[in-house]
Amino acid sequence: DAKTTQPDSMESTEGETVHLPCSHATISGNEYIYWYRQVPLQGPEYVTHGLQQNTTNSMAFLAIASDRKSSTLILPHVSLRDAAVYHCILRVSQGGSAKLIFGEGTKLTVSS
Amino acid sequence: NAGVIQTPRHKVTGKGQEATLWCEPISGHSAVFWYRQTIVQGLEFLTYFRNQAPIDDSGMPKERFSAQMPNQSHSTLKIQSTQPQDSAVYLCASSRDWGGYEQYFGPGTRLTVL
Repeated sequence: DAKTTQPDSMESTEGETVHLPCSHATISGNEYIYWYRQVPLQGPEYVTHGLQQNTTNSMAFLAIASDRKSSTLILPHVSLRDAAVYHCILRVSQGGSAKLIFGEGTKLTVSS
Repeated sequence: NAGVIQTPRHKVTGKGQEATLWCEPISGHSAVFWYRQTIVQGLEFLTYFRNQAPIDDSGMPKERFSAQMPNQSHSTLKIQSTQPQDSAVYLCASSRDWGGYEQYFGPGTRLTVL
């Protein structure tokens, strides 16, 4: 699986919209972009995933560049509960290993 | 839906003792994964099962670690002759299938080896 690059940390204030970038310059055509987040003392939580088109769900909006070499997880109106480490992971959907390979992720701090 | 259940939540063992960790996946999920998390190494994949069959154990230490899934409702991770470096949070996750489905993680078992 190709590697991803994320900033170590980002800071935000409650109510703001946060943009978390992820670079994946060597992404393969059959690799999906997954986002998980983890708060202390809990297991990782699935946020969203996409292949080529932008996706949205109740938690976040995932914007994928047209060349797929980067993506941005957009968290609207963050609250204190959104403070977590956010992981951007590439994973082959079919025919490849189902395991997730976690990097360091981006630690998002939210202040009131 | 209770989510993925892991027991115990905390376990303390003495060096050389055996530790068995339990995982109950979400009902209907056919894939079960084990990961280990430490401050130094981060979150690492250990092994996974599909329909109870072992598929990929490439992350398992070659000695002392074993995992089983005797039925669709639980999986165990066993560590023989535990060592202090085995201290970690062991996470279990399940998904509907092995492919592109999201994995749902349990709260983890914190193992401390004295």
